[in-house]
Amino acid sequence: GENVEQHPSTLSVQEGDSAVIKCTYSDSASNYFPWYKQELGKRPQLIIDIRSNVGEKKDQRIAVTLNKTAKHFSLHITETQPEDSAVYFCAAVRNDMRFGAGTRLTVKP
Amino acid sequence: NAGVTQTPKFRILKIGQSMTLQCTQDMNHNYMYWYRQDPGMGLKLIYYSVGAGITDKGEVPNGYNVSRSTTEDFPLRLELAAPSQTSVYFCASSRTGVGYTFGSGTRLTVV
Repeated sequence: GENVEQHPSTLSVQEGDSAVIKCTYSDSASNYFPWYKQELGKRPQLIIDIRSNVGEKKDQRIAVTLNKTAKHFSLHITETQPEDSAVYFCAAVRNDMRFGAGTRLTVKP
Repeated sequence: NAGVTQTPKFRILKIGQSMTLQCTQDMNHNYMYWYRQDPGMGLKLIYYSVGAGITDKGEVPNGYNVSRSTTEDFPLRLELAAPSQTSVYFCASSRTGVGYTFGSGTRLTVV
């Protein structure tokens, strides 16, 4: 089955800096790559996604890039704010969705 | 439109007991999923279903069973609870296999 690896496991940045989280996947047939944000005790919330026929997608301060050849995709958050602090999960979808292990992002005021 | 509803929100089970975690969605989604999330970890797929009458194993199906008799409901059954099944369980649904909607979760403790 699909295997998704995510790095780093923890990330601390100063408010206003950028944050980058990287993921790799193993199944070249995966065709959809969502990113989820999970706050403590809450359900995962979709923040951005990208399909395999697109190389980059932006939504305000958040962007995702996909390199199909290398089988990796990344989440970029610019101008980070304290409310961006949470655990972020990448995922890859072929027939079902498999998650990375998560990145705990801390934004220091 | 309630989305994905999970019950109960919390449960404590004794070792060897059985229980069913309920999941209902009112969005007419064909795809439904069960995940477990251990503390500080990612979500692991237990079972999923692409439509009524069809279920498939995910990454960690041992110790669990599911059924999908209707489009709306996808219950998860634990037959002989073990401490290793202590976790938060999330149900999710999607219309086409993308854009998952998650329920609020069931926190299960086995003692």
